[in-house]
Amino acid sequence: DAGITQSPRHKVTETGTPVTLRCHQTENHRYMYWYRQDPGHGLRLIHYSYGVKDTDKGEVSDGYSVSRSKTEDFLLTLESATSSQTSVYFCAISELGGNEKLFFGSGTQLSVL
Amino acid sequence: DAKTTQPPSMDCAEGRAANLPCNHSTISGNEYVYWYRQIHSQGPQYIIHGLKNNETNEMASLIITEDRKSSTLILPHATLRDTAVYYCIVHGGTSYGKLTFGQGTILTVHP
Repeated sequence: DAGITQSPRHKVTETGTPVTLRCHQTENHRYMYWYRQDPGHGLRLIHYSYGVKDTDKGEVSDGYSVSRSKTEDFLLTLESATSSQTSVYFCAISELGGNEKLFFGSGTQLSVL
Repeated sequence: DAKTTQPPSMDCAEGRAANLPCNHSTISGNEYVYWYRQIHSQGPQYIIHGLKNNETNEMASLIITEDRKSSTLILPHATLRDTAVYYCIVHGGTSYGKLTFGQGTILTVHP
């Protein structure tokens, strides 16, 4: 299995609080992604990174920011969490951008009350 | 990316081959067919992908029709651990990681 660790695995927070999710990889892959998965919507891309300090928006980026200061870490921040951001968040990595052989982490279950 | 159509659910007996179909009639020449699966509450797992030739790896085989408008994922000897949602995705190499996961096929493998 690809070396991808997401933390925390579960988090409960209150509306309006900031939340940061972490994705750590040991594969030295260039590309990293954040997805969210909701019933009826499948997986949707939030943000992705194509290198250190190089990030771009995905399909559902509003309300989220990301940072990548090291190859191995990709952080997803909810500046002010809302109930609509209750979801399961998956990090993924790939070696080659465009060749979509992605490896996914185990996910973070986030509940915003 | 081209849209795909998959049956919502399928059943298979343990030890038999599971054949999961996917229609992608609007696929264009530079788009690949990818298959992923997601076992309950886990992250999606890459299975296989192909452009126009049939492909085989340690997990499965992918059969793509000559006109590329449909494909079949074959799990040769299904086990209970293969029970999962299987996603067929068509994707061109121009949008990084922007895979569109539809509703997929829920495959249930029975003892």
